[in-house]
Amino acid sequence: DSGVTQTPKHLITATGQRVTLRCSPRSGDLSVYWYQQSLDQGLQFLIQYYNGEERAKGNILERFSAQQFPDLHSELNLSSLELGDSALYFCASSVGAASNQPQHFGDGTRLSIL
Amino acid sequence: GENVEQHPSTLSVQEGDSAVIKCTYSDSASNYFPWYKQELGKGPQLIIDIRSNVGEKKDQRIAVTLNKTAKHFSLHITETQPEDSAVYFCAARGTSYGKLTFGQGTILTVHP
Repeated sequence: DSGVTQTPKHLITATGQRVTLRCSPRSGDLSVYWYQQSLDQGLQFLIQYYNGEERAKGNILERFSAQQFPDLHSELNLSSLELGDSALYFCASSVGAASNQPQHFGDGTRLSIL
Repeated sequence: GENVEQHPSTLSVQEGDSAVIKCTYSDSASNYFPWYKQELGKGPQLIIDIRSNVGEKKDQRIAVTLNKTAKHFSLHITETQPEDSAVYFCAARGTSYGKLTFGQGTILTVHP
């Protein structure tokens, strides 16, 4: 158990809808990262937050947004969903924002768009 | 940006044999190289990592080597066991804060 908690485990919805994925980092970790895993693109970095502030952005679509709250949990919001958004979404956390600190992953949310 | 290539995409070994997975990276500024193991239905689990100021690191049956000049790093698993069967990912992190760039993964199957 990595200590990173993601909810829900599975989400099934329709095109055009909006969903929110939630992540609680490991106790003591201030940084949260979101990744998308799909068969064709592999594991892709989306965005990083550190202590409530955005720190780095990857290939995140404009339809997607995230935030980190004062209690350090994070939410990833996906809107105007398309079939291609079906994927596994992982959250990871690390103690700080430095580039050489280990990231620990949760077990992900599987998003299926019908 | 950073690009990480991983080989082979699949690897099949007999229990007790060694397994080697290799990765190359493109950004010479990358300074941190973790390896993850992912089992079905689970998230990637960090199994070992190496920083750019170290050439080799070992943890029981698992070792990682880094060649900064050639920009490649490898995972070595000795005395493989069926429970080592999983997908293994290498990753590299450079100058863009915490962003990890992953390889495409290697499906390792250990036959009893």
